[in-house]
Amino acid sequence: KNQVEQSPQSLIILEGKNCTLQCNYTVSPFSNLRWYKQDTGRGPVSLTIMTFSENTKSNGRYTATLDADTKQSSLHITASQLSDSASYICVVSDYGGSQGNLIFGKGTKLSVKP
Amino acid sequence: EAGVTQSPTHLIKTRGQQATLRCSPISGHTSVYWYQQALGLGLQFLLWYDEGEERNRGNFPPRFSGRQFPNYSSELNVNALELEDSALYLCASSLVGRTYTEAFFGQGTRLTVV
Repeated sequence: KNQVEQSPQSLIILEGKNCTLQCNYTVSPFSNLRWYKQDTGRGPVSLTIMTFSENTKSNGRYTATLDADTKQSSLHITASQLSDSASYICVVSDYGGSQGNLIFGKGTKLSVKP
Repeated sequence: EAGVTQSPTHLIKTRGQQATLRCSPISGHTSVYWYQQALGLGLQFLLWYDEGEERNRGNFPPRFSGRQFPNYSSELNVNALELEDSALYLCASSLVGRTYTEAFFGQGTRLTVV
């Protein structure tokens, strides 16, 4: 069964600190992996998208890594800001289109405290 | 360029009534996806439309239905509303449903069933 698991479920860090969020998936055949940021009550906004041939991709203070062999991805946030408080969702694309191509993790809820 | 737009932003209905939610994709996008996000939970895949046809549906009862119009906008209908249908309903669009594409989300419709 195609699944995307994220950890931790929630995380609290102090402003200015770094953090890393994890994503493990069992989706096959794999097409690509995306990280989204979702503010409470809003639609998700894309941070990065990677294919199997890409190991790392950065978007400002966000850096995503992908290990297609172990089917793991991480999202590293550097020098966190209060505005980083949100849910971060890992989404894997099933090339076969079994769920409209997008299989969502449940997200990691990040709280950045001053 | 306008993003994905959803209407209404908020909707309050009584149990047993019908709700209609609307989504306008980004210009040129042919695929529209609908998701349900209950409070505190991850996104659950509802429906996928591409080129006017339903391509796949998630594990939801038949009272969740929809359609895609010739201009690629979409409607989600929920009949015989139940209290547990209260959720944020998100619409996303992408260029093509089966390849390496970016999916952009709207801001959602908050449906409350009382």
